[in-house]
Amino acid sequence: DTAVSQTPKYLVTQMGNDKSIKCEQNLGHDTMYWYKQDSKKFLKIMFSYNNKELIINETVPNRFSPKSPDKAHLNLHINSLELGDSAVYFCASSQAQLSTDTQYFGPGTRLTVL
Amino acid sequence: GEDVEQSLFLSVREGDSSVINCTYTDSSSTYLYWYKQEPGAGLQLLTYIFSNMDMKQDQRLTVLLNKKDKHLSLRIADTQTGDSAIYFCAEEAGGTSYGKLTFGQGTILTVHP
Repeated sequence: DTAVSQTPKYLVTQMGNDKSIKCEQNLGHDTMYWYKQDSKKFLKIMFSYNNKELIINETVPNRFSPKSPDKAHLNLHINSLELGDSAVYFCASSQAQLSTDTQYFGPGTRLTVL
Repeated sequence: GEDVEQSLFLSVREGDSSVINCTYTDSSSTYLYWYKQEPGAGLQLLTYIFSNMDMKQDQRLTVLLNKKDKHLSLRIADTQTGDSAIYFCAEEAGGTSYGKLTFGQGTILTVHP
C-alpha cells in the first residue's frame, strides 16, 4: 500500500497557467509538508500543515497556495506558472511535528513549465 | 541560518566501502538524517542520529557524528550496485523549527561492478 501518494507524477504546462498537485497520505499522520527540489537537486521546504493548520510557510511566492481539506490531504495550487517553477515537488508526512518524527516522502511530481 | 553541504560525487567499486560526508552549520540541530533517492523515485529515509550520539550502526550503514566540528558521515559497507543513488544529508533544527528539515544538495554515488 502506498503511504504517501502524489498526482500527477508528471505535469507539463504553459507559462501563465494555473495547476494543482495533490497529495494524500494513508498513514494517519497529523503533519504534512511540501518540498521543492530544483534542477541542482536542492531540496527546500515550502509549507507544513499540522491538522489542517499552516505551521511552516517559508519564503514562497503567494502564487503558491496550499490547501488541506483534511489531515490526510495537502494539495498545492500554483497560479500564473513561471519558467522558474519547473522542479520536482515532493509531499511528505510525519506523525506529528516533533523532532522524533520521521518524515515519509511521496514519489514526487515533476513539473515542467514551457 | 541553517546550511548543509555535501560533496557532489562519489564513485566506488562494488564490494568496497563508501563514505559520504556532510557538514552543517546549525549548532542547535536535534536530529540529523540520511535519505536515499533512486532515479525517478521519492526520498527514502535510511537512518538518523540524535545529536547527542556519536555513532549509530544499522546493518551495512554506520553514521558518525562529530558535533564539535558539525560533521556527519555515512559509511556503507560492502557497497552494491543497487546502492547507486543520490544520498541527502538533512538536519532538523530544534526550538520552534520542529519538523523543518534543511537538506544538503545530495551526493551522487556511483557503484562500478
